[in-house]
Amino acid sequence: DADVTQTPRNRITKTGKRIMLECSQTKGHDRMYWYRQDPGLGLQLIYYSFDVKDINKGEISDGYSVSRQAQAKFSLSLESAIPNQTALYFCATSDSGLAGVYEQFFGPGTRLTVL
Amino acid sequence: KNQVEQSPQSLIILEGKNCTLQCNYTVSPFSNLRWYKQDTGRGPVSLTIMTFSENTKSNGRYTATLDADTKQSSLHITASQLSDSASYICVVRGSNYQLIWGAGTKLIIKP
Repeated sequence: DADVTQTPRNRITKTGKRIMLECSQTKGHDRMYWYRQDPGLGLQLIYYSFDVKDINKGEISDGYSVSRQAQAKFSLSLESAIPNQTALYFCATSDSGLAGVYEQFFGPGTRLTVL
Repeated sequence: KNQVEQSPQSLIILEGKNCTLQCNYTVSPFSNLRWYKQDTGRGPVSLTIMTFSENTKSNGRYTATLDADTKQSSLHITASQLSDSASYICVVRGSNYQLIWGAGTKLIIKP
């Protein structure tokens, strides 16, 4: 079984619709992240959470919101989707181990298309 | 501005050949540098991590080097296999847990 799962894997939606991407992990990690990946660009951090009561904005949080429902679950919402939010979205987790050395483990990604 | 630049953008080599991918960074202060492999349609997977004091680290056929003075890292792949076809991403950690991601090098191995 995959350690980090994302649902849905693919989603096509229309401009203005609200959608939610979900992430679950069985690695027991405290820290969870949401990234988006666009062709030719590095991964961009949207939001991250170091524990259930901790939510932080990343580089590109505008137009997105998140919810950390439990240690194992972290969801990303697009309140009103727009075409330039078409991208590949990844959820990742990491341990809190030695500061700066921890590895991030990624889910399989959600390909989102906004028409 | 903290940046990570990778070259080449894409590379095609024949199976069995060696190749070297480059990563230049301007991140300061520097904490560590990690190389990830991303197969098409999958999330990135860590290959190796380099800290300030490390010059070379190997993981099977993958060898990473780090020159902290010139702020350059390379990933050398020996005796390439078809399964090495993927994007290779360099990520540098700066201060306050900040990660700066490169855009990646897309490597295609041809039989």
